[in-house]
Amino acid sequence: DAKTTQPNSMESNEEEPVHLPCNHSTISGTDYIHWYRQLPSQGPEYVIHGLTSNVNNRMASLAIAEDRKSSTLILHRATLRDAAVYYCILRAFNYGQNFVFGPGTRLSVLP
Amino acid sequence: GAGVSQTPSNKVTEKGKYVELRCDPISGHTALYWYRQSLGQGPEFLIYFQGTGAADDSGLPNDRFFAVRPEGSVSTLKIQRTERGDSAVYLCASSLTGRGTDTQYFGPGTRLTVL
Repeated sequence: DAKTTQPNSMESNEEEPVHLPCNHSTISGTDYIHWYRQLPSQGPEYVIHGLTSNVNNRMASLAIAEDRKSSTLILHRATLRDAAVYYCILRAFNYGQNFVFGPGTRLSVLP
Repeated sequence: GAGVSQTPSNKVTEKGKYVELRCDPISGHTALYWYRQSLGQGPEFLIYFQGTGAADDSGLPNDRFFAVRPEGSVSTLKIQRTERGDSAVYLCASSLTGRGTDTQYFGPGTRLTVL
C-alpha cells in the first residue's frame, strides 16, 4: 500500500474549523483515500472516504487535490469529543485490502 | 445494533503461557481483520479472513501466532509461548464484503500484558 504522511499533532480551539492535511504523493489510480479516527481507549472509527471528488458527510468533509497527491480532512466545528488520533489511509478498491496505518495526527481541542 | 465485540477486554499472562483472544464480528459481515497496536503507534495488520478462510496472513509476526474462524463468524487469535514483546492492544474489525471501499468496524480491543 502507498505511504501517507501526516503531521504528528495539531491543536484547535473548540467550535473552530480544523483542517487536517495528508500527503500521498505515490497514490495509484485505484487507491481510495480513507480517514479513520481513534478516540482514547477505543478502536478506530470510520470518518469519511473518497476517490477523486470532494466528499461531505455528517461528520466531516474531505477535500482531495486535483492531482490526488494530497487531501485534507475538514471538521467544520471542532468539539471536545473530536480530540482523537486521525489516520489517513490509502486502500485499493479490490477485495482483501487491509489498512496500512501510519502514526496519524493527534488532534487536541482546547475549550 | 450490536457492534464488534472482543473478549476479554484485558488479559494479563506470564511469559511462555498460551492465550486466546476472541472476536465477535457484526452479524452478516464476511470479512474479518485482526490488528495489533503498540503504544503510540497506529494499528498493524495481522491477518484477514474472507468467510472461514484466511485470505491474507502476511502480517502474522511468526508461527507462535495463529487465528481461526471455523464457522465464518467468531474468530479466535491464538498466541503460543507468549513473550513480553507481544504486549499490545489486539484489535478486531469486520466489514460487509471485504471490498476495499467497505467500512471496517473495529472492536474496542483486548489489552494483552505479558509479564
